[in-house]
Amino acid sequence: QVQLQESGPGLVQPSGTLSLTCTVSGGSISNNNWWSWVRQPPGKGLEWIGEIYFTERTNYNTSLRSRVTVSLDTSKNQFSLNLYSVTAADTAIYYCARRGRLGESFDPWGQGTLVTVSS
Amino acid sequence: QSALTQPASVSGSPGQSITISCTGTSSDIGSYDLVSWYQQHPGKAPKLMIYEVSQRPSGISNRFSGSKSGSAASLTISGLRAEDEADYYCCSYVPGDILVLGGGTKLTVL
Repeated sequence: QVQLQESGPGLVQPSGTLSLTCTVSGGSISNNNWWSWVRQPPGKGLEWIGEIYFTERTNYNTSLRSRVTVSLDTSKNQFSLNLYSVTAADTAIYYCARRGRLGESFDPWGQGTLVTVSS
Repeated sequence: QSALTQPASVSGSPGQSITISCTGTSSDIGSYDLVSWYQQHPGKAPKLMIYEVSQRPSGISNRFSGSKSGSAASLTISGLRAEDEADYYCCSYVPGDILVLGGGTKLTVL
């Protein structure tokens, strides 16, 4: 059973870079799935950020495309998110999730990690 | 790509049925039968409840059902229980490998 776990700093300075890693266990990251990032500002709804395939093809939310990079490390069975030039509006719980095993749905999800942008 | 439209809140009494709507466009929901629904309890990660409009993953109660008509999708919960109280989100695949989510609906079990 595949499980995902996010890790990374909980506090990022404004104008800095938010960097998170998602570790996949119970299955290989090098299979026919997309590996995605979704975020949720406190008290608000979910927003899809972007994703990567094992071939390193990527897809991004058009509203974040200029500031986002998702990358893959197959040797560690991990994928990562970098969000550049962050502001307080990027404060959110960040989730990683697998997409593609069941239709185009996200399943499973990581537990999420809160990242606060503040000086 | 605009977010899908969901009602902010719905409510129902135990044992009743409720339906949550999710309205999109011909560019998202109307394009493919690739709508999914997620349940999120406070402080928890979202959980997949429905995929491909009406399919239930293994382990999901048949009290949860989904449907679609044109550019709108719906999630119906029958035999409402206290543990169904949560936020629910719809999601649609958009041609070009884009995913768009709804704003979320808070379900209150009275």
